[in-house]
Amino acid sequence: QVQLVESGGGVVQPGRSLRLSCAASGFTFSNYEMHWVRQAPGKGLEWVAVIWHDGSIKNYGDPVKGRFTDSRDNYKKTLYLQVNSLRSEDTAVYYCARGGVAATPDAFEIWGQGTMVTVSS
Amino acid sequence: DIVMTQSPESLAVSLGERATVNCKSSQSVLNSADNKNYLAWYQQKPGQPPKLLFYWASTRQYGVPARFSGSGSGTDFTLTISSLQAEDVAVYYCQVYYSSSPTFGQGTKVEIK
Repeated sequence: QVQLVESGGGVVQPGRSLRLSCAASGFTFSNYEMHWVRQAPGKGLEWVAVIWHDGSIKNYGDPVKGRFTDSRDNYKKTLYLQVNSLRSEDTAVYYCARGGVAATPDAFEIWGQGTMVTVSS
Repeated sequence: DIVMTQSPESLAVSLGERATVNCKSSQSVLNSADNKNYLAWYQQKPGQPPKLLFYWASTRQYGVPARFSGSGSGTDFTLTISSLQAEDVAVYYCQVYYSSSPTFGQGTKVEIK
């Protein structure tokens, strides 16, 4: 079935780095733009990043620009989010979500279960 | 960037009664090229990822009960639950998805009175 599975979260000290992964299955991963969305404990949804289906275009939310980098391996059907210079305010559940086909905007039909990142000394 | 504002922040409705959630965007989400509103609604229950309910503002996702409806155009949108059921207790989010930064509203918590 169509599925996204995140991994790579954990407890990390401020200023350190992590790489989150999102493994896709059940659909043609290379056709879709992919997003990261996060949710701090008890808070709402915050869009973090997007990467086009071919990796040619990326965009980031203002709070993470310059610190987070998303990438993808279409052969491995995996999305990545490199998170650097972590701050306490980055503590959140990080979800990957499927966007539209190629460069066509679309709602996020498929979501992973999320991976928790806790930034704490 | 487009700002999405939902109201109310929370509401409590009796079982079987109507629940209405509003969403206002800071600029129109209607794309004149295809005459579609790039507005989605999601439902999120505790401990779960969001679930897509509506896209194009009013197109119901497969499997979403008919008691849910989405309406509106341009900058003002509404999610309505015509007869609230216990399983509808959740937080509901609107989202604009055509922009380079797909923005969510702050969420509306729907509870049973």
